[in-house]
Amino acid sequence: EAGVVQSPRYKIIEKKQPVAFWCNPISGHNTLYWYRQNLGQGPELLIRYENEEAVDDSQLPKDRFSAERLKGVDSTLKIQPAELGDSAVYLCASSRRGGHGTDTQYFGPGTRLTVL
Amino acid sequence: KQEVTQIPAALSVPEGENLVLNCSFTDSAIYNLQWFRQDPGKGLTSLLLIQSSQREQTSGRLNASLDKSSGRSTLYIAASQPGDSATYLCAASQGGSEKLVFGKGTKLTVNP
Repeated sequence: EAGVVQSPRYKIIEKKQPVAFWCNPISGHNTLYWYRQNLGQGPELLIRYENEEAVDDSQLPKDRFSAERLKGVDSTLKIQPAELGDSAVYLCASSRRGGHGTDTQYFGPGTRLTVL
Repeated sequence: KQEVTQIPAALSVPEGENLVLNCSFTDSAIYNLQWFRQDPGKGLTSLLLIQSSQREQTSGRLNASLDKSSGRSTLYIAASQPGDSATYLCAASQGGSEKLVFGKGTKLTVNP
């Protein structure tokens, strides 16, 4: 079984530029998560999808961040415009179902974003 | 608001030693607690998931326990190996919000 795929693995941009990250979850997994991990910290949830519906986006900075999950499979996370403080690793994860976090989450390798 | 703390932040042990990593959480109304491993520059790998109704889970040389009343979980690693070197993260699913709240992790180094 293929794991969670993310691209790009690394991205370096200048502040105020836009950037997008892509995630392909494990086949058959209905729930998709985007996390941000700052250096030396644990991941923090940005948004969770159940199929196509964003069911928890309370931590997503909506003034500059947006996400979509078309057809309930792949997902894209966008930042526009990027700020210096956005430098972090952006992790995508998926699970068969959500429901009180009862199912194991499988993580992709992440995208390391550096904003100059 | 759930807060998860992991102690120690870093741990260095000789190969073959048994060790315990600690995790504490502030809100005992959790659905489950999970332990993950993260290797440098990589994503997280799930190690063990303990449901709120369970006291412990075992996988190979790993054993995780959960004590909801005291807000604590421990990850026990038996006969440690250099390949166990990684950062270990604990995460509690926050009651009512279905969200995982992570600790900062414990960086483990097992010396040959």
